[in-house]
Amino acid sequence: AQSVAQPEDQVNVAEGNPLTVKCTYSVSGNPYLFWYVQYPNRGLQFLLKYITGDNLVKGSYGFEAEFNKSQTSFHLKKPSALVSDSALYFCAVRRGAGNNRKLIWGLGTSLAVNP
Amino acid sequence: GAGVSQTPSNKVTEKGKYVELRCDPISGHTALYWYRQSLGQGPEFLIYFQGTGAADDSGLPNDRFFAVRPEGSVSTLKIQRTERGDSAMYLCASSLRAGEEGTQYFGPGTRLLVL
Repeated sequence: AQSVAQPEDQVNVAEGNPLTVKCTYSVSGNPYLFWYVQYPNRGLQFLLKYITGDNLVKGSYGFEAEFNKSQTSFHLKKPSALVSDSALYFCAVRRGAGNNRKLIWGLGTSLAVNP
Repeated sequence: GAGVSQTPSNKVTEKGKYVELRCDPISGHTALYWYRQSLGQGPEFLIYFQGTGAADDSGLPNDRFFAVRPEGSVSTLKIQRTERGDSAMYLCASSLRAGEEGTQYFGPGTRLLVL
């Protein structure tokens, strides 16, 4: 069965410091991996995805994520955090092959960037 | 429109009533998805459409829930005999095609409260 784990409910970082939001997954076959961000009272916004190719993918707002097949991880990173990055971050996975198009989501990680 | 729109933004109803939630996807997107998100949880898949047909409705919790997309664009999620446990944020997303890694773009959601 497919599953996603975001082991941290909350991450706190100081503005200007690097941030990491962790995600591990379980899926049969090759995964398609996604990160979304949810700001208060706003819809989910797509940040980035890994489908194939380079393990390091770059996305919106300066975020990037590294696909690590051996560790089944897809951690979200940013070199220098901004206060405006404070939001809820979701990792999602689906199987790359076959007809199953369902995205399976993690429970989310609340990121707080302190000035 | 420029993005996915959902109406109403908020819906308050009484237990036992019938409700309809509407989703207007991005123009040209053939795939449409419905999710339900409870507080503190990630989105939970309900159903997705490819064109007019429901390609996967395995996430619908029971037969009180039904969704249609008669012309392959706007979709309506229908809930009969609402229960207090149906209270949640209902999210709609669309993507260009479901048959690839198509990124899902989300609407702002409809917050349903069943009293």
